[in-house]
Amino acid sequence: DGGITQSPKYLFRKEGQNVTLSCEQNLNHDAMYWYRQDPGQGLRLIYYSQIVNDFQKGDIAEGYSVSREKKESFPLTVTSAQKNPTAFYLCASRPSTDLNPYNSPLHFGNGTRLTVT
Amino acid sequence: RKEVEQDPGPFNVPEGATVAFNCTYSNSASQSFFWYRQDCRKEPKLLMSVYSSGNEDGRFTAQLNRASQYISLLIRDSKLSDSATYLCVVTAWDSNYQLIWGAGTKLIIKP
Repeated sequence: DGGITQSPKYLFRKEGQNVTLSCEQNLNHDAMYWYRQDPGQGLRLIYYSQIVNDFQKGDIAEGYSVSREKKESFPLTVTSAQKNPTAFYLCASRPSTDLNPYNSPLHFGNGTRLTVT
Repeated sequence: RKEVEQDPGPFNVPEGATVAFNCTYSNSASQSFFWYRQDCRKEPKLLMSVYSSGNEDGRFTAQLNRASQYISLLIRDSKLSDSATYLCVVTAWDSNYQLIWGAGTKLIIKP
């Protein structure tokens, strides 16, 4: 079955360590996204990519980095520069780069819950 | 003021009842509107798009009021399985169609 796979589901790290969250999709989607969700808040966009080898900062990119070397993969690195990294991270993809979401609905992975102590 | 605002709830509703909640948005250039459902500690899933004329999908009805800048979701004959958080999502052409998410309204259906 096609889908988006995020791993691991739960991740624990010590403060000061970089950590990379995996996101893989076999839906042949062009566009991929990383969101962060905190309790009582809406999803906030970290980074997005509409094509291989290209990505754009979202609203809260500071302290994060991404790469898009393959269409299927869009890993997110949470660096030690991110002040409050503990959150629920969601990866998503869309079938095309058609920006109008009516034409290109968003599909989510199951999420990674990161806890930094 | 937040771009997309929702009453956080929770709305405690008996099974079989009808429940409705709204979502207000601040950007008058908003073009696309959606309701997502999110179960506890899971990813959001698209419930329904919201179109200008309003639309219905089974027990769910979505409405758009452009003049007052809000969308609504009505659930009829509520089921226990409807318990979830309902997220409102809005996009605007002037923000490159990036999705702006509300914080969600929590709904609890009681037997």
